[in-house]
Amino acid sequence: GENVEQHPSTLSVQEGDSAVIKCTYSDSASNYFPWYKQELGKRPQLIIDIRSNVGEKKDQRIAVTLNKTAKHFSLHITETQPEDSAVYFCAASIWIQGAQKLVFGQGTRLTINP
Amino acid sequence: NAGVTQTPKFQVLKTGQSMTLQCAQDMNHEYMSWYRQDPGMGLRLIHYSVGAGITDQGEVPNGYNVSRSTTEDFPLRLLSAAPSQTSVYFCASSRTRQDNQPQHFGDGTRLSIL
Repeated sequence: GENVEQHPSTLSVQEGDSAVIKCTYSDSASNYFPWYKQELGKRPQLIIDIRSNVGEKKDQRIAVTLNKTAKHFSLHITETQPEDSAVYFCAASIWIQGAQKLVFGQGTRLTINP
Repeated sequence: NAGVTQTPKFQVLKTGQSMTLQCAQDMNHEYMSWYRQDPGMGLRLIHYSVGAGITDQGEVPNGYNVSRSTTEDFPLRLLSAAPSQTSVYFCASSRTRQDNQPQHFGDGTRLSIL
């Protein structure tokens, strides 16, 4: 089955700097890659997603890149702010027999230092 | 618009007890799923449903049962609780079963088994 590895497990950056979180996946059939942000004690919330027919997607300070050949995708946050502090999860999804199978990475705890 | 509603928010059980975690969505989503979240392991799929009357197993189904009698509700049952089932449980739903779609999560149920 699909396996998603996420690195680093913790990341600390100065406010205003950029943060990059990387994920690799094992199943080349995966074709949808969402990123979720989870604040302490809250639900995971989708912040950006990318499909396999696109190499890059951007939404204001957040961007995601996908390299299908290497089977890895990355989240880029620019001009980080204190409210970006949270746990971030990547995921890879495969569509099998009419059902979506979503596999998550282990998460990255991002801390923005003022 | 309530989205995905989970009850209860917190629960403490003794080993061997049974209980049902409730999940309801009001977005007319066909796809619903249950995840458990443990420290350092991301979210893992327990069971999922692509529509009323249809359920299937995810990555970690042992010890859990589900049913889907209506589009709106997808309860998760623990038949005989074990300490290994101590976790945070999230229910999620998505719009269609025809393609990968963003999943919307509930607020979670924090379950402790003593």
